Amino acid sequence: GAGVSQSPSNKVTEKGKDVELRCDPISGHTALYWYRQSLGQGLEFLIYFQGNSAPDKSGLPSDRFSAERTGGSVSTLTIQRTQQEDSAVYLCASSPTTTLTTETQYFGPGTRLLVL
Amino acid sequence: KQEVTQIPAALSVPEGENLVLNCSFTDSAIYNLQWFRQDPGKGLTSLLLIQSSQREQTSGRLNASLDKSSGRSTLYIAASQPGDSATYLCAVNRAGANSKLTFGKGITLSVRP
Repeated sequence: GAGVSQSPSNKVTEKGKDVELRCDPISGHTALYWYRQSLGQGLEFLIYFQGNSAPDKSGLPSDRFSAERTGGSVSTLTIQRTQQEDSAVYLCASSPTTTLTTETQYFGPGTRLLVL
Repeated sequence: KQEVTQIPAALSVPEGENLVLNCSFTDSAIYNLQWFRQDPGKGLTSLLLIQSSQREQTSGRLNASLDKSSGRSTLYIAASQPGDSATYLCAVNRAGANSKLTFGKGITLSVRP
């Protein structure tokens, strides 16, 4: 079946511009995660959605970062007034995890963001 | 704060060799530990997931062990092949379900034909 998809696959933007990154999780997965992978920093957690619960935003690096998940499915990560240090690969993952169990996360191919 | 360490950062071995990739974590209060594989320009693929109550998991030529009390996990790859060349990441899920993963920086493995 279809895996996690992300768009665009690559994004080049100018410093100060806003960008939106999209994630389509695996159908039926209740949990959705955003991570950022930077050179030298490894993979860092950004935000987590679980069903209708309030999202865990503890990993967002600044208030320029925000994310939404509409209808419990598609998610959009928005970065406002982009800075060069925002350049990274943004990975989305989904999981059938519920409040009672935890299972592996399935990752999308990522969006490579370059801020000039 | 949980920290996950993977050393060395890179490893090169000849084809056919058995090898061990190491992962250590600072907080033993974990829910589970996962090993992922990442190919260049691609997302992550889950290889093995070990629950905190388990000692090891096996899949084909891969075997992952977990020693929670000492904060260590190993990924054993038997009879390595050039197709095993990739970056291997270890990640821990802190105590309690539905938690974010804390990743190590990965070990980039190159298997020479």
